Amino acid sequence: DVKVTQSSRYLVKRTGEKVFLECVQDMDHENMFWYRQDPGLGLRLIYFSYDVKMKEKGDIPEGYSVSREKKERFSLILESASTNQTSMYLCASTTTGSWHEQYFGPGTRLTVT
Amino acid sequence: GENVEQHPSTLSVQEGDSAVIKCTYSDSASNYFPWYKQELGKRPQLIIDIRSNVGEKKDQRIAVTLNKTAKHFSLHITETQPEDSAVYFCAASKDSWGKLQFGAGTQVVVTP
Repeated sequence: DVKVTQSSRYLVKRTGEKVFLECVQDMDHENMFWYRQDPGLGLRLIYFSYDVKMKEKGDIPEGYSVSREKKERFSLILESASTNQTSMYLCASTTTGSWHEQYFGPGTRLTVT
Repeated sequence: GENVEQHPSTLSVQEGDSAVIKCTYSDSASNYFPWYKQELGKRPQLIIDIRSNVGEKKDQRIAVTLNKTAKHFSLHITETQPEDSAVYFCAASKDSWGKLQFGAGTQVVVTP
């Protein structure tokens, strides 16, 4: 059974703080993704990684960075959190190939005050 | 880049009736079209998908149709039940990394 876990379900941070969101998958998937979910906007891709130390920008990378030092772990970093980054953040993973299911983590509800 | 539009944004149906959600995509190179269901407070999960070489696929009460010429695809749920209440997302993909472009989502409410 595929398992994707995220480090926190709920997180409250102050404006200007550096924030780390961590995602771990146990299925040896090559590809990992970070999405942001906002009402009426669906799931928007922030960054994805197709291999260790490899990353590509998604549709909304501004204000975010990522790190993938190990295959199973993909971190999302908010260098200086702002209130407009208050959102639900979802991590997902999949194996290589365009016709494979993405497995999602439970999400992290981040509030920036 | 790819743009996926999804309609309607909300859909209220009586239990037992059918529900239809429609999506259009812009990039003719897209070749994989999954649908995800997200129940309240839970993670999105794949419920059905279709590849570009297939026009229709069915799995019990759910079916998906694809019209490549018109660049649109639809999700059909028959004999709706209260447990079908959720947000449904369509998506499109064209690359080997599995990168998906999602629609904005449809909130489906099934009333008894």
